[in-house]
Amino acid sequence: EVQLLESGGDFIQPGGSLRVSCTTSGFTFSSYAMNWVRQAPGKGLEWVSGILGSGQTTYYADSVKGRFTISRDNSKDTLYLQMNSLRGEDTAIYYCAKGSLWYGFDVWGQGTTVTVSS
Amino acid sequence: QSALTQPPSASGSPGQSVTIPCSGTSSDVGGYNYVSWYQQYPGKAPKLMIFEVSKRPSGVPNRFSGSKSGNTASLTVSGLQAEDEAFYYCSSYAGSNVVVFGGGTKLTVL
Repeated sequence: EVQLLESGGDFIQPGGSLRVSCTTSGFTFSSYAMNWVRQAPGKGLEWVSGILGSGQTTYYADSVKGRFTISRDNSKDTLYLQMNSLRGEDTAIYYCAKGSLWYGFDVWGQGTTVTVSS
Repeated sequence: QSALTQPPSASGSPGQSVTIPCSGTSSDVGGYNYVSWYQQYPGKAPKLMIFEVSKRPSGVPNRFSGSKSGNTASLTVSGLQAEDEAFYYCSSYAGSNVVVFGGGTKLTVL
């Protein structure tokens, strides 16, 4: 069974940094693109970032470009999102999702909550 | 990277059909056949229901169908069931390696 499990969410002050992780199982991790999608409280979904299977190519939404960095460790089947210069508007549930930008995200984790507040 | 436009709510009675539109531009929905639809229950993770405009992943009932005309994509749920009551989000590839989502539609089964 394909499973994604996020962790690392926390309560953090504006301007701070945080890294969230997504451990995976049940599929050949290095063969698939992965993404981070977030959902602010009571709001809709927002694609944040994507990374190809090799880890060499990354993509970002304008709202996080220059502040967030997506990466992966294919030896550990784990996806990461390093978030710097955090703002209140980054407060959200962060989901990792398997799949390419073109063909839809076919498996999602349960999410990890990041709260940015003073 | 503007969000796609969806109505905030839609409704139908059990057994009826309901269609949820998703309006974009020629830079996203109209420019690519890469529209996806997701179902989300409150407090749960989204689930992929439709990809590439009209394709259903394994396990998704054929009551769910997708289509596109110009800059507007649509999700149709036929033979509405109580379990279909959820939020539905469209998304589209928007060029330049970016994905955009719609604001979401709450589907109520009356």
